[in-house]
Amino acid sequence: AQSVTQLDSQVPVFEEAPVELRCNYSSSVSVYLFWYVQYPNQGLQLLLKYLSGSTLVESINGFEAEFNKSQTSFHLRKPSVHISDTAEYFCAVILTGGGNKLTFGTGTQLKVEL
Amino acid sequence: DAGVTQSPTHLIKTRGQHVTLRCSPISGHKSVSWYQQVLGQGPQFIFQYYEKEERGRGNFPDRFSARQFPNYSSELNVNALLLGDSALYLCASSLMAGQNGYTFGSGTRLTVV
Repeated sequence: AQSVTQLDSQVPVFEEAPVELRCNYSSSVSVYLFWYVQYPNQGLQLLLKYLSGSTLVESINGFEAEFNKSQTSFHLRKPSVHISDTAEYFCAVILTGGGNKLTFGTGTQLKVEL
Repeated sequence: DAGVTQSPTHLIKTRGQHVTLRCSPISGHKSVSWYQQVLGQGPQFIFQYYEKEERGRGNFPDRFSARQFPNYSSELNVNALLLGDSALYLCASSLMAGQNGYTFGSGTRLTVV
């Protein structure tokens, strides 16, 4: 069975500081990997995804994530956060060849403080 | 283009009642999936429909059912509501079967009292 682990339930950080949100997955087959962001009282927005190719993927608002197959990780990073980045971040996977459902982690609440 | 639209946005029901939630996918998207997000947790997969056929079902009781219509919109039905069904219900659509990721709607907040 596949599972997604987000070890940090909350990450407080000061504005303009760097941040890393951790995500590990367990699967015996290849996976597609995603990060979604959820602002209060809203649905999920796709932040970035890894399907194949370059293991480093970037979003338009400065986030990046690197797929590390040996460590089964897909950590999300941003070199300098802004107050508007305060939100809940979810890591998710889709098994290749095993249906197309997203399996989500429990989420990490990023709180950016002045 | 309109995104994924869900209705209603909020709903309050009494235990034992029935509820129908509706979802319209992005134009041209043929796959619709439903997720339940309980407060403080990640979304849990309920159903996926692709080209009007059920393609996947999560670990939910038979009280939960869904269908997809010829225009690719979808309904999620929940019978005999329990307090534990209180959650944000999210609909997601994708062009194909979903490998490239899904676009989510803003959800329906269901409160069972």
